Amino acid sequence: EAQVTQNPRYLITVTGKKLTVTCSQNMNHEYMSWYRQDPGLGLRQIYYSMNVEVTDKGDVPEGYKVSRKEKRNFPLILESPSPNQTSLYFCASSFLWDKNTGELFFGEGSRLTVL
Amino acid sequence: LAKTTQPISMDSYEGQEVNITCSHNNIATNDYITWYQQFPSQGPRFIIQGYKTKVTNEVASLFIPADRKSSTLSLPRVSLSDTAVYYCLVGRGNTGFQKLVFGTGTRLLVSP
Repeated sequence: EAQVTQNPRYLITVTGKKLTVTCSQNMNHEYMSWYRQDPGLGLRQIYYSMNVEVTDKGDVPEGYKVSRKEKRNFPLILESPSPNQTSLYFCASSFLWDKNTGELFFGEGSRLTVL
Repeated sequence: LAKTTQPISMDSYEGQEVNITCSHNNIATNDYITWYQQFPSQGPRFIIQGYKTKVTNEVASLFIPADRKSSTLSLPRVSLSDTAVYYCLVGRGNTGFQKLVFGTGTRLLVSP
């Protein structure tokens, strides 16, 4: 089954404790990206990657890091989480050059709470 | 990047047609218009995409006027299960994805 898998789905942590949210896709997509969703603010892009070892900042990259060492994986790293990073996070992937309708496939989301 | 503006919310009743309009005045020549649907605590799901005129699939139609500064998602005969948030997204084109800017979405409530 074609899917984007995020882990963990739910996490409560404390300020300053490094954490990683993993994202994996099995569709051989070049493009992957991370979003955070907060009430009233819609979806905001954190980082995106157009292929292995190619990443760039989205609209709200502060406090986050990413890496793309393999095509299927795109982990989101919070080196020193703070309460303002409490949010619902989504990973998404797609083919890059209009190989199909251009559909973005989203994961089920990871709800993060930083105390 | 084209910024999009949508109504914050809309109400409808089962069986009615719902039209949600998105304004994107700064759309670029290569930009496509894509609509997504999101249910609570789930990731957004692709509905339809278009470049100009009209596109129709099994769940919706997308109307894009000649100037492409707006677009309208049309949902025929909505049901309770269409209650969701709908996002208009402009971008991509043939230059690849780069940044993607979602708006705040339109919350559609369908009542019996």
